[in-house]
Amino acid sequence: EVQLVESGGGLVQPGGSLRLSCAASGFTFSDHYMDWVRQAPGKGLEWVGRTRNKANSYTTEYAASVKGRFTISRDDSKNSLYLQMNSLKTEDTAVYYCARGLRSYYYYYGMDVWGQGTTVTVSS
Amino acid sequence: QAVVTQEPSLTVSPGGTVTLTCGSSTGAVTSGHYPYWFQQKPGQAPRTLIYDTSNKHSWTPARFSGSLLGGKAALTLSGAQPEDEAEYYCLLSYSGVGGVFGGGTKLTVL
Repeated sequence: EVQLVESGGGLVQPGGSLRLSCAASGFTFSDHYMDWVRQAPGKGLEWVGRTRNKANSYTTEYAASVKGRFTISRDDSKNSLYLQMNSLKTEDTAVYYCARGLRSYYYYYGMDVWGQGTTVTVSS
Repeated sequence: QAVVTQEPSLTVSPGGTVTLTCGSSTGAVTSGHYPYWFQQKPGQAPRTLIYDTSNKHSWTPARFSGSLLGGKAALTLSGAQPEDEAEYYCLLSYSGVGGVFGGGTKLTVL
């Protein structure tokens, strides 16, 4: 069974840092692009960013709202995806989902499998 | 920055048909935007229904279909069921920008 399980969420003060993890199973993780998507309370979905696969040099892309503060990385040997969040703001409060990219086309941003999400609250 | 627009809310009668649309501020939506549709119920993660305009996953009910209609991506639900009441999001791909979600359509089956 294809599965994504996020962890690492919690309460953090503004200006603080947090690292989220996403454990993948049931598929060849190293083949896929991987994305992070977030959803603020009562709001819609927002694409956060992605990491491409080894064949595409593990390149990353980010939404403008998080660029320079968030870093996406992956460890194919551990079937794991990470989201390092620095300089957190109250507006980063959201449920963070990891999602599997369906196709490994460079500018194709669709995803087919989602984790259940982990909640990040930025508050003093 | 591209903006993707959806109807904020729609209502459909049980057994009825409804079409949700997804527009782009940059112009007509094409197959090159690789339109996706997701369903999200309260307290749950999103679930992918339609990819690449009109393709269905194995778990997508047959009553859902995707298309391009009048310069927009469209999701049509034919024969609505009570369990189809949910929020629906579209996603478009923009090279050099990333993935952009629409604001979502709250679908009520009533």
